Amino acid sequence: GNSVTQMEGPVTLSEEAFLTINCTYTATGYPSLFWYVQYPGEGLQLLLKATKADDKGSNKGFEATYRKETTSFHLEKGSVQVSDSAVYFCALSYGGATNKLIFGTGTLLAVQP
Amino acid sequence: DTAVSQTPKYLVTQMGNDKSIKCEQNLGHDTMYWYKQDSKKFLKIMFSYNNKELIINETVPNRFSPKSPDKAHLNLHINSLELGDSAVYFCASSPGGDREKLFFGSGTQLSVL
Repeated sequence: GNSVTQMEGPVTLSEEAFLTINCTYTATGYPSLFWYVQYPGEGLQLLLKATKADDKGSNKGFEATYRKETTSFHLEKGSVQVSDSAVYFCALSYGGATNKLIFGTGTLLAVQP
Repeated sequence: DTAVSQTPKYLVTQMGNDKSIKCEQNLGHDTMYWYKQDSKKFLKIMFSYNNKELIINETVPNRFSPKSPDKAHLNLHINSLELGDSAVYFCASSPGGDREKLFFGSGTQLSVL
């Protein structure tokens, strides 16, 4: 079946460090891929997305490239800030008219000053 | 104003009780969802409504009954609560033309004792 696997956290970094959060997926067909972010005390919100192979999604300095050959969608940021501390969820979508989002288990990022 | 709001934020109750969680969105979206996040942070869709019509009903015990009085509200009623129902329940909504971009509420943490 369709599933998403992402690296376990927590990931603890110092401010301005480089961030990578790994995400791989299993899917039939060609899903769309997403990163959602959950800041403390808030609901999840869409961070970025990519809808086909080799697409790069980007937002707020974060990037992720849809790699079909490795079935991956790793999240990267060149220089993290304390305000980036949150839980990051990788997700895929399939299902046409009744689109369903399948989420990974989330990775907690803690950025220290 | 909060875009997707759900109440209560915390709910502590005894096994066997019946409880409801309410959700409202003021974004004018056509589609609303309930997701369950278990203790391992695994986030799974339960239900989805589009314009008050049920379109996704995952394998959920029939003790869970969603109700959508209008397209801005999707409530979740749970009968005969069990210990395994303890989780965080998230309401979400999306515009009809883009069911992949979800806006989440901040969650209801349900603890069944």
